[in-house]
Amino acid sequence: GGDVEQSLFLSVREGDSSVINCTYTDSSSTYLYWYKQEPGAGLQLLTYIFSNMDMKQDQRLTVLLNKKDKHLSLRIADTQTGDSAIYFCAESIGRPAGGSYIPTFGRGTSLIVHP
Amino acid sequence: GAGVSQSPSNKVTEKGKDVELRCDPISGHTALYWYRQRLGQGLEFLIYFQGNSAPDKSGLPSDRFSAERTGESVSTLTIQRTQQEDSAVYLCASSLEGSSGVTYEQYFGPGTRLTVT
Repeated sequence: GGDVEQSLFLSVREGDSSVINCTYTDSSSTYLYWYKQEPGAGLQLLTYIFSNMDMKQDQRLTVLLNKKDKHLSLRIADTQTGDSAIYFCAESIGRPAGGSYIPTFGRGTSLIVHP
Repeated sequence: GAGVSQSPSNKVTEKGKDVELRCDPISGHTALYWYRQRLGQGLEFLIYFQGNSAPDKSGLPSDRFSAERTGESVSTLTIQRTQQEDSAVYLCASSLEGSSGVTYEQYFGPGTRLTVT
């Protein structure tokens, strides 16, 4: 896979919207993912988007994909203190038949929500 | 159990010792992955098992690292002659996988925090 870049920190006030951005380099990416990692826990898949889509909405989460610019964003509406966590962007690329779409992960963005 | 479990949750070892980390995937999941997460870094792919196929070892950083999996059950990651740079959280994930090679959602365990002193 290619490289996945994210900003390391984002601080927002409770009730505001959070936007976490990600860029990737491999134009053949098939799936793009957002994972959430709470302290001391493993990663939890929040949502994913196929590369032929440009938007996906799921309750408070909105994913936007700009395939031309290879830019992915995750918007969290009405951010709560419980949303404080590390958010990982990941992409996977199709591999030969019988292989696996092993994701390439970014370094993660720490979201800090202030009351 | 309901999710992926890993043991131990924490391991402190002296440089030069061997360590063995264990992962119990979700029952029925044919695919199993090991990742390494260094402090402040993203996940680094180590190795992937899929059913009875030969594992994809392309991410193992050196020959000190090895992993085994028996069938579709438990996997162990072994690090021989540990070095301080091996200190990290080691994450295991499992998933269903279709015959076409499409990967379904990965479910992660809580990880093993390894500290090499």
